[in-house]
Amino acid sequence: AQSVTQLDSQVPVFEEAPVELRCNYSSSVSVYLFWYVQYPNQGLQLLLKYLSGSTLVKGINGFEAEFNKSQTSFHLRKPSVHISDTAEYFCAEVHGGYQKVTFGTGTKLQVIP
Amino acid sequence: NAGVTQTPKFQVLKTGQSMTLQCAQDMNHNSMYWYRQDPGMGLRLIYYSASEGTTDKGEVPNGYNVSRLNKREFSLRLESAAPSQTSVYFCASRDREGSEKLFFGSGTQLSVL
Repeated sequence: AQSVTQLDSQVPVFEEAPVELRCNYSSSVSVYLFWYVQYPNQGLQLLLKYLSGSTLVKGINGFEAEFNKSQTSFHLRKPSVHISDTAEYFCAEVHGGYQKVTFGTGTKLQVIP
Repeated sequence: NAGVTQTPKFQVLKTGQSMTLQCAQDMNHNSMYWYRQDPGMGLRLIYYSASEGTTDKGEVPNGYNVSRLNKREFSLRLESAAPSQTSVYFCASRDREGSEKLFFGSGTQLSVL
């Protein structure tokens, strides 16, 4: 069965500090991985995705993530966060050829001035 | 450029009442999804439709029915609403021909009293 685990429900971090939001996916031969961001009272927007190829994926707003097959991880990173990054972040997976898109439980990033 | 349109945005029901949440997309996507979002539980898949004329259960289908009326529209029906169905509901469609990303509607906030 597909499953996505986000280990941290909340991550407080000071402005301009680096951040890592953790995500582990279920082992699979072929998997697509995504990070979505949800700002307060809005729907979800795609930050970045891994479909194939380079394991380091760059997204919008300075975020990047690294696909690590041996550790079944897809952690999201940003070297220097801004107040405007305060939001909830969701990791998601879909297995190639399948239709279900499964989300993790979310990580709330709180950037402290 | 509407994208995914959900109606209504807010709804209050009494226990036992029925209602239908409407969703339409104008991007010619084959796949459409209904999720519910609850605090601490992330987004959980209720039903999805891989193509016009097909629907499949997700993680939490009990108490819901869906109709894929045509390629554009995918509705979610609560036949007899229960307080446990108080949630925020999101409809999404998926671009399977390119980015694989999900496009989300703005959500429906449903309260069942």
